[in-house]
Amino acid sequence: QKEVEQDPGPLSVPEGAIVSLNCTYSNSAFQYFMWYRQYSRKGPELLMYTYSSGNKEDGRFTAQVDKSSKYISLFIRDSQPSDSATYLCAMSQAGGGNKLTFGTGTQLKVEL
Amino acid sequence: GAGVSQSPSNKVTEKGKDVELRCDPISGHTALYWYRQSLGQGLEFLIYFQGNSAPDKSGLPSDRFSAERTGGSVSTLTIQRTQQEDSAVYLCASSLGGQATQYFGPGTRLTVL
Repeated sequence: QKEVEQDPGPLSVPEGAIVSLNCTYSNSAFQYFMWYRQYSRKGPELLMYTYSSGNKEDGRFTAQVDKSSKYISLFIRDSQPSDSATYLCAMSQAGGGNKLTFGTGTQLKVEL
Repeated sequence: GAGVSQSPSNKVTEKGKDVELRCDPISGHTALYWYRQSLGQGLEFLIYFQGNSAPDKSGLPSDRFSAERTGGSVSTLTIQRTQQEDSAVYLCASSLGGQATQYFGPGTRLTVL
């Protein structure tokens, strides 16, 4: 079993929909949680960063971390066709160089 | 400012040849990471450099893989005697020392024929 599990999709939604992306993890030592967006043939782009449990909002994006359930989410409101990409969750432990452990990514398509 | 840059963007090589991949991190970032992204395996950590400390090589898949970082800036990942299973996108990331957030370059797409 992988340390980080993420539904690969693909997920297809109409423009304007609320999108919910999720990851579960097994390592309770993870303290830092990130979401990256990756367009085809591009490098991952950092979207959201959260330390420990809680919520963080940035524009149309909200990240949630529930450490008790080992579950993290990314919500996208008013989704746009430009949001079509692969979304990767990533997490790291305190210390140890912050090397990231990634989910496999969820492919999202927002249709007109 | 300038982001992480990598070269070449694409590399096609024959099985058994050696390849060198280059990463230029964001100026001032003391931490540098190499990851590999392949179909079915996702993004996997390879190696990590922080300042003048010994690198963390725990993710390197075999002794054919090595990396160095000169002058605390540019890094080179070398793969010797390439195999077809080495075909993947090799991504470099950098961060401010001690910071969890990492910024990625565009990657080098390696194809081993």
